[in-house]
Amino acid sequence: DTGVSQDPRHKITKRGQNVTFRCDPISEHNRLYWYRQTLGQGPEFLTYFQNEAQLEKSRLLSDRFSAERPKGSFSTLEIQRTEQGDSAMYLCASSPHWSYTQYFGPGTRLTVL
Amino acid sequence: QKEVEQNSGPLSVPEGAIASLNCTYSDRGSQSFFWYRQYSGKSPELIMSIYSNGDKEDGRFTAQLNKASQYVSLLIRDSQPSDSATYLCAVAPRSNNNDMRFGAGTRLTVKP
Repeated sequence: DTGVSQDPRHKITKRGQNVTFRCDPISEHNRLYWYRQTLGQGPEFLTYFQNEAQLEKSRLLSDRFSAERPKGSFSTLEIQRTEQGDSAMYLCASSPHWSYTQYFGPGTRLTVL
Repeated sequence: QKEVEQNSGPLSVPEGAIASLNCTYSDRGSQSFFWYRQYSGKSPELIMSIYSNGDKEDGRFTAQLNKASQYVSLLIRDSQPSDSATYLCAVAPRSNNNDMRFGAGTRLTVKP
């Protein structure tokens, strides 16, 4: 399968714990995006990487959130001291350098108890 | 005012009919427009992109863009029950195409 992959697909955690999600983009795509989606809403932009550089961060991305893409390939999104309001689907998308069309992975559904 | 607005629906059409989905956006300088389909519990799947005023057709789908009216629509001809999903309108703003804004989506039900 050559699409965007995300791991884990589901994560249940207790409030206050740290969680980390991984995204593997389509291999030739140099742009990578993280979004958060809650029920009944469209995806909300969180952050964007071009290669290994994090070029944009939404104001939604509080200090508890950090994202990395150390070698310009896979990316990780970490949430520290999770809160119940962090419960959502976390989506990763990628796009190639010649197009702004974004292709989404299956998402990681986070539930904070 | 939300940056991208869609009628949340639900929109219900009979099988074989034309489904019309509408979207308005607030940033007049927006450059790129996308329609995604999202089945319940799944991630968004790209249907079409459109960049210029007018119509763009791809199979049973037609996207229409009117930048003067800040309006983009998606027509689905010969609707099938498998088209039942939430349709998301996405708009890339003028400043860059990386900070894409999504509407909340319109839920479409096609009844057999």
